[in-house]
Amino acid sequence: GAVVSQHPSWVICKSGTSVKIECRSLDFQATTMFWYRQFPKQSLMLMATSNEGSKATYEQGVEKDKFLINHASLTLSTLTVTSAHPEDSSFYICSAREDILYEQYFGPGTRLTVT
Amino acid sequence: QKEVEQNSGPLSVPEGAIASLNCTYSDRVSQSFFWYRQYSGKSPELIMSIYSNGDKEDGRFTAQLNKASQYVSLLIRDSQPSDSATYLCAVSTNAGKSTFGDGTTLTVKP
Repeated sequence: GAVVSQHPSWVICKSGTSVKIECRSLDFQATTMFWYRQFPKQSLMLMATSNEGSKATYEQGVEKDKFLINHASLTLSTLTVTSAHPEDSSFYICSAREDILYEQYFGPGTRLTVT
Repeated sequence: QKEVEQNSGPLSVPEGAIASLNCTYSDRVSQSFFWYRQYSGKSPELIMSIYSNGDKEDGRFTAQLNKASQYVSLLIRDSQPSDSATYLCAVSTNAGKSTFGDGTTLTVKP
C-alpha cells in the first residue's frame, strides 16, 4: 500500500519559536497534499490544501502567515508553524492524494507541544 | 446540515457480530467514497474505497454504496476487539478535496 511519512513524530518547542513538519509520499507521486489538525477526541480539521508548484489554499479561519505551507515537489510538502503559542499545541496530520483513484493516504502525524 | 453525516456512536457490538456503520452525504455529484479507521492517538488509515453502486468486499469488510439514496455503509463481519476504533466516512468529487464525517466510534466487546 501507499506510504506517507511525516517527520518529526513529536516535537516540543518554546513559545515564539517556529517548527517545521515534513510530509513525504514514499512510493507514489502526489500532486495534492493536505494538512489537518486534530485536538483530542475531536474531528479532523482540514487546514489547507497543498498543490505542487503553486500556493496552498487555506480553509477559512486558518492564518496563512502563521501556518506556512510549501509543496516543493511531487513527494514533499512542509508545514511551518511560525511564532508558535501554547494554543497551537495539537496533533498535525498530513495526507497525500494519489492521482488515479484520488485515494488519500495519511502520514502518522506530528504531536506538537508548545510550552 | 453537514455535508457528510455519521452517527457518532458509540456503537457497541459483541465479538463475532456484524458491525454496521452508516454515512449519508449531501453533494449529489460526489463520485468517490472512502472509509478510514482511526485508532485513538493515531492517524487515519484507508480501509475501503468504493466508486460505483453496489457492494465491494475486502476480507471481513464490505462497503455498500447507493448513490440514489446518497448513502454509503461499511459492514464489518466477525468483529474483533482489534476493530475497536473510530471509523471515518469521506466523500469527494473527483480531483476535489475529500469531505470527512465526524466519525463513528465502534467498540467490540470480548
